[in-house]
Formats: sequence, C-alpha cells, structure tokens
Amino acid sequence: KAGVTQTPRYLIKTRGQQVTLSCSPISGHRSVSWYQQTPGQGLQFLFEYFSETQRNKGNFPGRFSGRQFSNSRSEMNVSTLELGDSALYLCASSSSRRSDEETQYFGPGTRLLVL
Amino acid sequence: GESVGLHLPTLSVQEGDNSIINCAYSNSASDYFIWYKQESGKGPQFIIDIRSNMDKRQGQRVTVLLNKTVKHLSLQIAATQPGDSAVYFCAENNMGGNKLTFGTGTQLKVEL
Repeated sequence: KAGVTQTPRYLIKTRGQQVTLSCSPISGHRSVSWYQQTPGQGLQFLFEYFSETQRNKGNFPGRFSGRQFSNSRSEMNVSTLELGDSALYLCASSSSRRSDEETQYFGPGTRLLVL
Repeated sequence: GESVGLHLPTLSVQEGDNSIINCAYSNSASDYFIWYKQESGKGPQFIIDIRSNMDKRQGQRVTVLLNKTVKHLSLQIAATQPGDSAVYFCAENNMGGNKLTFGTGTQLKVEL
C-alpha cells in the first residue's frame, strides 16, 4: 500500500504570494492532519480534516486554511506569505478519528522557503 | 523531513549501548502518548505508544515509561544501532481526536 504523498516536495515563494500544498493520504484513510515544523517552534498542529469536515484547528492565523475533497485528498493554503512561514509542512493520515485507535502515518513533507 | 535542527538536545551513545531519551509533557489531562522517530529527509515514524492507565510498555528493543505524577515520559532503546540515529519526539494527545502536541525533540547520535 502506498504511503502518504505530498506535493510538491520543495517550493520557493516570495513574501506576499500565496501557496497551495497537497496531501494524498493512504488509501482508505479519511483523516488528514497538517503540521508545521520549524527549528524555533518544532512541530505544531495546524488542522485536521475527517470526511471533508474540519474537526480541529491549531493556533495559527486565518492566512492558513485547508480543505479536504471527497477522495480524502487534502490541500492547505497559505495566503500573503511571510518570511516566518518558511517551514516543513507535514501531513499525516489515519483511518480513525482517534489517534489512540489507529496510528497516524506521516508523509515526507513539503519544504517551503519564503524569500 | 529534515530534523528540527539547531537547538535540539543531543544524546550521543556508543553502538550496542542502551539509550534513554526523556520528555516532559505539559498537559496533565493528556491520556495518550506516542514516540516518533524522524530521520533526515523523512516524516516522523511511529515507534511506540502508551495510554495513561499504564506506566510501562515494551516493544521490539524499545520500552516506554510513563510517570504521570511528574508528567514525564521516557524512551529506552536497547542495544542501540547506527540505524537508530535520528531525532526522537514525544507527542501527547487528550480527549481523543488526532491532534498531537509534540515535544521539542532529541537528536540521537550513535557512534561506532
């Protein structure tokens, strides 16, 4: 079974632009969560989608948004990019709504550099 | 995914020795804990988990200990191998859902 895939793997943008990142979960998984990883803040939860509904949201500004499609693929969008948005963006998928029921599997991430 | 990087605590061990990686968690309401391993260029990989009603759980070469009194979690790796070199994160979860709160991470370096 293929793992979680994220596209693109690397991205360079300039301040003020917007970006869309894509995540394809493992086949059959309906939960997709997004995390931001930076040297200063570590791994921080952005949001989670299950069956196209946002179930949980982290403490990020409204510039960060996401959605999930009927095939469980998910996208996250960051508008009006700032230098501090440079990070590794990770998505994780699961077959369950609960992390203590089923393991979450992470993709390799998208490395975003904002200049 | 590249490691968190510059300010990670580092643990250096000799190949074959046992490693102990520690983590202090923040939320006394957390009831589920996971250890992840992150190698360079990859996303975090599940190692082992433990529920709050347990204080010890063993896997293959790994053991997790939970001390709820002091909100402390540890990961023990037996007979550490070069392939164990990575960044290790603890993560906590409470009240179900898939939201995880991650610790800062520890860089494990295995010396031959």
